[in-house]
Amino acid sequence: SAVISQKPSRDICQRGTSLTIQCQVDSQVTMMFWYRQQPGQSLTLIATANQGSEATYESGFVIDKFPISRPNLTFSTLTVSNMSPEDSSIYLCSVSRGGVGNEQFFGPGTRLTVL
Amino acid sequence: AQTVTQSQPEMSVQEAETVTLSCTYDTSESDYYLFWYKQPPSRQMILVIRQEAYKQQNATENRFSVNFQKAAKSFSLKISDSQLGDAAMYFCAFMDSNYQLIWGAGTKLIIKP
Repeated sequence: SAVISQKPSRDICQRGTSLTIQCQVDSQVTMMFWYRQQPGQSLTLIATANQGSEATYESGFVIDKFPISRPNLTFSTLTVSNMSPEDSSIYLCSVSRGGVGNEQFFGPGTRLTVL
Repeated sequence: AQTVTQSQPEMSVQEAETVTLSCTYDTSESDYYLFWYKQPPSRQMILVIRQEAYKQQNATENRFSVNFQKAAKSFSLKISDSQLGDAAMYFCAFMDSNYQLIWGAGTKLIIKP
């Protein structure tokens, strides 16, 4: 298993500002993922962050808006840039040790409200 | 492209009864993995059960079991002896060859005391 923490747990931000969300894992993992989830809805993958390489973004998400860092095997950050109310959501970090069939472990999420 | 469909937005069950949550998927791959995840109101997503497509035997984890029908591309979750703590959103997910999860829309499970 893996224990994942996220900071902040929630935040209220002003339009046009940026917020960086941190994801810390208690052990080294190969793959880290960032998701967005509207309350009561499914998860949408933003990007996959692998250590030592550029993050891979899904359709509809761009690096300028959601820059990601992955400096080592236990830590990653997601920045939500130039925020608008449409960015209000829950942002989830998950990790996997890689390999076929390995489960993803999830952090508690960051609830973001943009005014 | 793979898709996952959960046709039941909400289900309710009496405490101690049995409930089945439906999930269908579409893929052209022959080897893959399927998952059921649970997300309680506290928001932390946890794995309930995992099924490997090449295994014909249905996976079980205590009160949770699956009915995996590969030909029909169906992967339902059965919860026996439902408990109040089972109340949550349940998501069905398919793992593709890139190790990414393709998610269903979710089913909200309500447990009636």
